[in-house]
Amino acid sequence: RKEVEQDPGPFNVPEGATVAFNCTYSNSASQSFFWYRQDCRKEPKLLMSVYSSGNEDGRFTAQLNRASQYISLLIRDSKLSDSATYLCVVNIHGNQFYFGTGTSLTVIP
Amino acid sequence: NAGVTQTPKFQVLKTGQSMTLQCAQDMNHEYMSWYRQDPGMGLRLIHYSVGAGITDQGEVPNGYNVSRSTTEDFPLRLLSAAPSQTSVYFCASSYSGTASEEAGELFFGEGSRLTVL
Repeated sequence: RKEVEQDPGPFNVPEGATVAFNCTYSNSASQSFFWYRQDCRKEPKLLMSVYSSGNEDGRFTAQLNRASQYISLLIRDSKLSDSATYLCVVNIHGNQFYFGTGTSLTVIP
Repeated sequence: NAGVTQTPKFQVLKTGQSMTLQCAQDMNHEYMSWYRQDPGMGLRLIHYSVGAGITDQGEVPNGYNVSRSTTEDFPLRLLSAAPSQTSVYFCASSYSGTASEEAGELFFGEGSRLTVL
C-alpha cells in the first residue's frame, strides 16, 4: 500500500474557477505535511506546509484532518500560471518524506 | 546562490555499466535524500541521510548505494545499471529531518535524466 495516495486527475478548469485536491496518507506516524508544485520537466518546489489548524496563503488554502488522515488543497480564482502538477508530501518519523503521484492541473483561458 | 547541485544532468549508460550521480549542497543541511521519478509513480525515496556518516534506505533502495562522508555531498552509485533504472533522479536536502509539524522544506536539485540501454 502506498504511503500517500492522490487522485492523478487531470483537472482541466477555466480561469477563475475554484479547484480542490485531496490526498490520503496511511501511516499514523506521519508528522508533517506539505504541498509541492512541479512544473513540466522541472524539480518540485514547496507550495505550502500544512498545519493542523489549517493555513492560507493568498488564493491557496491547505487543510489537514488527522483523524481521517487526509490533506486538502484549495485553489481559488485559478490563474493560467497555476497549471502544474501538485504533489502531496508526508514526513514520517521526521526523516522520511513520501510523495503522492501528483495531481495534474491545467487552467484554460 | 547554488543551493543543491546535481551532476550530470543527462547520462546514457549501457546495461551493466556503473556510474555515480553527484549531489552537493551549500546550505549546511543535515538531511539529504535521493528520489527517482517515473511516469505514474511519483517520486520514490531511494536513500536518505540525516547527517555525515549516517545513511538509511527508503522505499526503493535495491541497485543503489550511497555514502555521506561530508555534510555537503551525497553521491548515489549505480553499481551495475539495468534498464529498470531508467528514470529522472532528484537529490533533495533539508535543514533537518526533525519530528515536528514544521519539519523543514525540501530543496531539490534540477534532476539527472538517466537512460539505461
